[in-house]
Amino acid sequence: NAGVTQTPKFQVLKTGQSMTLQCAQDMNHNSMYWYRQDPGMGLRLIYYSASEGTTDKGEVPNGYNVSRLNKREFSLRLESAAPSQTSVYFCASSDRAPEHTFGSGTRLTVV
Amino acid sequence: AQTVTQSQPEMSVQEAETVTLSCTYDTSENNYYLFWYKQPPSRQMILVIRQEAYKQQNATENRFSVNFQKAAKSFSLKISDSQLGDTAMYFCAYSSRNRDDKIIFGKGTRLHILP
Repeated sequence: NAGVTQTPKFQVLKTGQSMTLQCAQDMNHNSMYWYRQDPGMGLRLIYYSASEGTTDKGEVPNGYNVSRLNKREFSLRLESAAPSQTSVYFCASSDRAPEHTFGSGTRLTVV
Repeated sequence: AQTVTQSQPEMSVQEAETVTLSCTYDTSENNYYLFWYKQPPSRQMILVIRQEAYKQQNATENRFSVNFQKAAKSFSLKISDSQLGDTAMYFCAYSSRNRDDKIIFGKGTRLHILP
């Protein structure tokens, strides 16, 4: 049982480049989330999707877009990466129970 | 808006000792959940313990227990007989029962268990 799978695990981008972080869950969860983790800041919500076909902004959405492709997949896109987007990104999912199941994270460095 | 505050950025204790991590939160809601998550160096986020606000009894999971003071909006984590594997970042977190299950995290406490 894979749970939540994120790809890639590491990525280095140049300023201005674009990329998409992929996330898939195999638990049939309705809700999916994208968080970023910065030193001394905890995890902050970027976007979430309460159900297939819906997405909403979280606390720090600027510079990002998301797509809930189907019930399993929720991708995060950086259209023009900036050094301020250097962070560790976590995807998570949940269903009825409030606690999230997290992926293993993506460490993104923008130079 | 709800907030979660962890006032101890970093702590160190000797192996086998008991340690308490502090957390306070602010909310106007009456129904909510509180969590402690552990993040070891592997970066994986692991749920340690969960407390439902309507339950007066403090949650326990083996060596981990909480002191939930609803009126004071305090939610501390006690780790008994600490082990080297408890070395990790610990996050206190809040989730409303009514709002899409979003979780609000504190900034974390880095805990070092010393041999």
